[in-house]
Amino acid sequence: GAVVSQHPSRVICKSGTSVKIECRSLDFQATTMFWYRQFPKQSLMLMATSNEGSKATYEQGVEKDKFLINHASLTLSTLTVASAHPEDSSFYICSAGGRGFGTDTQYFGPGTRLTVL
Amino acid sequence: SQELEQSPQSLIVQEGKNLTINCTSSKTLYGLYWYKQKYGEGLIFLMMLQKGGEEKSHEKITAKLDEKKQQSSLHITASQPSHAGIYLCGADTGTASKLTFGTGTRLQVTL
Repeated sequence: GAVVSQHPSRVICKSGTSVKIECRSLDFQATTMFWYRQFPKQSLMLMATSNEGSKATYEQGVEKDKFLINHASLTLSTLTVASAHPEDSSFYICSAGGRGFGTDTQYFGPGTRLTVL
Repeated sequence: SQELEQSPQSLIVQEGKNLTINCTSSKTLYGLYWYKQKYGEGLIFLMMLQKGGEEKSHEKITAKLDEKKQQSSLHITASQPSHAGIYLCGADTGTASKLTFGTGTRLQVTL
């Protein structure tokens, strides 16, 4: 199946720092990528849909000024957590593909664990 | 909005035993995905079901989607320690491939 990578896999930062997470589709082009967050022992919650060349679409309750998404190319989407605070600590996962985008399923990255001190 | 409920929430089975995980949707499913997640890692795609009554198998894992397309089950035969992890069902919401995920089932397999 298709491969999606994320970088970094783990980041620890001080409160107030901005953190950038990269999501890459390695062997296919993804006009659309998705960003999820997952709290311990909970399911994945969709945060936003990242669209190549246009603005991201955010789910209800997700602050677009806090979670900045840029989809600069067909293989790269970035999520920047602006001025991170301890409550932003979570596991962030991206995915790419899906019905209508050339694959039957979404392929997920390995995730990025963010810890804000 | 569409909600998915999984049962059981957690499961401990002895190696070699069979088990079933259920996923129930509040709305008709356009597509139902099963993923497996190890703690702190990404999701591994297992299977996708689209048609009512559809059944798919991969190695010792079988997934079914009921005729009304509102419930799916995942069945593991002769479980092994390698089957341990969190199983998540995901529903295609019908809008631009966005997925809604179930609450997850944590599986432990004991020796």
